[in-house]
Amino acid sequence: SQTIHQWPATLVQPVGSPLSLECTVEGTSNPNLYWYRQAAGRGLQLLFYSVGIGQISSEVPQNLSASRPQDRQFILSSKKLLLSDSGFYLCAWSTGLAGKTTGELFFGEGSRLTVL
Amino acid sequence: AQSVTQPDIHITVSEGASLELRCNYSYGATPYLFWYVQSPGQGLQLLLKYFSGDTLVQGIKGFEAEFKRSQSSFNLRKPSVHWSDAAEYFCAVALSGNTPLVFGKGTRLSVIA
Repeated sequence: SQTIHQWPATLVQPVGSPLSLECTVEGTSNPNLYWYRQAAGRGLQLLFYSVGIGQISSEVPQNLSASRPQDRQFILSSKKLLLSDSGFYLCAWSTGLAGKTTGELFFGEGSRLTVL
Repeated sequence: AQSVTQPDIHITVSEGASLELRCNYSYGATPYLFWYVQSPGQGLQLLLKYFSGDTLVQGIKGFEAEFKRSQSSFNLRKPSVHWSDAAEYFCAVALSGNTPLVFGKGTRLSVIA
């Protein structure tokens, strides 16, 4: 069966420090991968998605970046965190273009980031 | 651009009462439709989905949803709510099976005795 792992679960960082959140998927190949951010009262905001290694689509301008160095690994980064980067970050995967899919996402447990 | 509206930010129901959570979407064609549930501090779990066929879909945990094309709605229902159903519920839509989901802002459900 497929599983998704996301870490760290909780992170407290000072303003201006770097960030790295990691996500890996097991049990599937060529998944589509996603990073969402969840802020209170604002639902889920899509930040990045990737349909393959090295292919990243950015949905909103921000000081965050994403990379996909391996097929089942997705990394969210920042060189200098802002207070506004605080939030709950969710990684998700879906069946990729090569497979039959009805589009549902499967989510990790999330990473709570607090920037002080 | 497609959008999803969940008009109710917070709903409180009594245990055993029926529940309906509203979801409306804005899109020219029939999108792929989803309902997710999120417990505090957790990821999202898929309750049910619709992309074609019977407009009344059954999901996990006793939930169902009905797609109404004329109203651009996909409301979630449960005939009898349990205390464990207290959570946040998100409606989501996608253009196709290979496009990212767009989520509504969520409805927080509280259940009282």
